[in-house]
Formats: sequence, structure tokens, C-alpha cells
Amino acid sequence: GAGVSQTPSNKVTEKGKYVELRCDPISGHTALYWYRQSLGQGPEFLIYFQGTGAADDSGLPNDRFFAVRPEGSVSTLKIQRTERGDSAVYLCASSLNGREGQFFGPGTRLTVL
Amino acid sequence: KQEVTQIPAALSVPEGENLVLNCSFTDSAIYNLQWFRQDPGKGLTSLLLIQSSQREQTSGRLNASLDKSSGRSTLYIAASQPGDSATYLCAADMDSNYQLIWGAGTKLIIKP
Repeated sequence: GAGVSQTPSNKVTEKGKYVELRCDPISGHTALYWYRQSLGQGPEFLIYFQGTGAADDSGLPNDRFFAVRPEGSVSTLKIQRTERGDSAVYLCASSLNGREGQFFGPGTRLTVL
Repeated sequence: KQEVTQIPAALSVPEGENLVLNCSFTDSAIYNLQWFRQDPGKGLTSLLLIQSSQREQTSGRLNASLDKSSGRSTLYIAASQPGDSATYLCAADMDSNYQLIWGAGTKLIIKP
């Protein structure tokens, strides 16, 4: 595709439920990033993939958060036992090789009730 | 620890004015600095990327500068238009890792 796509665009869930957020990067981009953004703040880094492997997962807030990129393209961010504090916009970005600028998808707005 | 600050948090100017948005960072060991635009409820649109070896980049009415020694970057917008209204964020890509460290953004309103 022409740009980074993310699905769903909106997700409403109840506290304690499991959610999966999907990111399709720009074709050919080896680097993929997940961020989350709260209202009025800049994005907060979660995890960075180079190919299939997580090169840096230091931003994941706790072990309820996990992300995969099994074939080096599409990535899924998984959140277990969701909490109200997880509510945010989750942004995905891709980069040609990790150092040529990052290009963002439209985000998934997660609301935990 | 790198910190990125954007001042002011909000700015409102009449259409047609030239304006400057500021971004400062505490650690000069950056690989590049990127400016983004974010419209309400939307994702981030990349505007300009300045490599650490560069002093400025230009795209249309936008010009971004980088001074690593002073820890500052500016985004200059010429002849502002109402369509420029958005939040502008800067982000520093550090030498030591591939994370972007973000400012909180400047919310720009251009009045017709």
C-alpha cells in the first residue's frame, strides 16, 4: 500500500479484556515502531522491530503488553487484561531501515471502559 | 536522558504572517531530527527530516533548521494559511538507539 495502515481505527473494550491492534507498514520497510499517545502529549515509544525481531522493547510498560512481527511485515500489538489507563491512541510507524525518517499510520484509538 | 521541549505550547496568528516554532533538546548526540504535523484525531504527517550533519531542510513554505551545539531546532512557516492550523511536533532520533524522543507539540491556529 501507499502508506502505513492500522486496524481497527477505534476499539472500545471492557476492563480486563484482551485486545489486538494491527499495523501494516509501507512495503519494503524493515523497521517498525509502536507508540502510544495520550491527549495533549507527544507519542511515547513502546517497541521497535527490525525485520522479525524486537530490537528494542524497553518502552513496553509491563508484561501485559506484547508485540509480534512474525514475517517481518505486519505487526500485532497485544494487550492482556486491559486497564482503564491503557486508553490512548496507539500509533504505528515504519522506516526504510530505521534511520531514514519514520512514517506513521492513522492510529488506533483504544478506549477501556 | 534526552528531553525535548517545545515552546510555546500554543500559538495563534493572523493569516499571512511568517512564524517560527521552537524545539530544544538536552542531549546533542542526535542522529536526526524530524518535524511532524498532527491534525485533530489524525495520525502524524512527516514534514521535514534533518540529518545531524545538516543545518537546514526546506519544503515549500516550510524551512527547518538544526543547531546541535545549542540543542535547538526551528520550524519556519512562511505566509501562513488557515490550512496550516494543526499541532506541530518535533522528535529527536538518538545516536544510541532508534527511539524517537518527542516534544509535546505546539498547537498552531491561523486566523483567517
